[in-house]
Amino acid sequence: QVQLVESGGGVVQPGRSLRLSCAGSGFTFGSSAFHWVRQAPDKGLEWLALISYDGSHTDYADSVRGRFTISRDNSKSTLFLQMNSLRPDDTATYYCARPYLSSWYDYWGQGALVTVSS
Amino acid sequence: AVQLTQSPSSLSASVGDRVTITCRASQDINSALVWYQQRPGRAPDLLIFDASKLASGVPSRFSGSGSGTDFSLIISGLQPEDFATYYCQQYRHYWTFGQGTKVEIK
Repeated sequence: QVQLVESGGGVVQPGRSLRLSCAGSGFTFGSSAFHWVRQAPDKGLEWLALISYDGSHTDYADSVRGRFTISRDNSKSTLFLQMNSLRPDDTATYYCARPYLSSWYDYWGQGALVTVSS
Repeated sequence: AVQLTQSPSSLSASVGDRVTITCRASQDINSALVWYQQRPGRAPDLLIFDASKLASGVPSRFSGSGSGTDFSLIISGLQPEDFATYYCQQYRHYWTFGQGTKVEIK
């Protein structure tokens, strides 16, 4: 069955960096685009970034552009989100999600909690 | 950017009630809208895609309607497992979500 498993969350001080990973299994990882979506505590969902199946195309929400970088390693079936210059308002659960034909999300990871606090 | 406004932000209802949640887009998104259900501590689950099509495995008491800028999710005969938060999401212009509607037990 399709699985997306995030790792790398934790507590980090403002201004520091953190890298999230999302390991995929049960499907052809290298044929799928991926997105990162986050959810602040008791808040709604926010689209953050996308990457094409081969990594050649990426795009970002204005809230993270220039601070976050999405990447992938298809040989390891793994998606990444490098988060730099973290701020307290980046505190959230971060989900990797697979879009169905650039539309809705048919599979989500379990989420990785990132807390930015001194 | 397309903004989605859901209403109400929360509601209290009883088992068996008919519940309607609305989602209004800031511009025409055709039928490029989906609805998700999210339970605490879990990722969202797809309920409705293309505004009105029932996702696989979703009970028929869930239905969706609308196109353009105005959309609705209807739950006909609320069940105990339906108490959760519901989100709309558009994919016509990038991807944005409504702020959510929490359905609580009356």
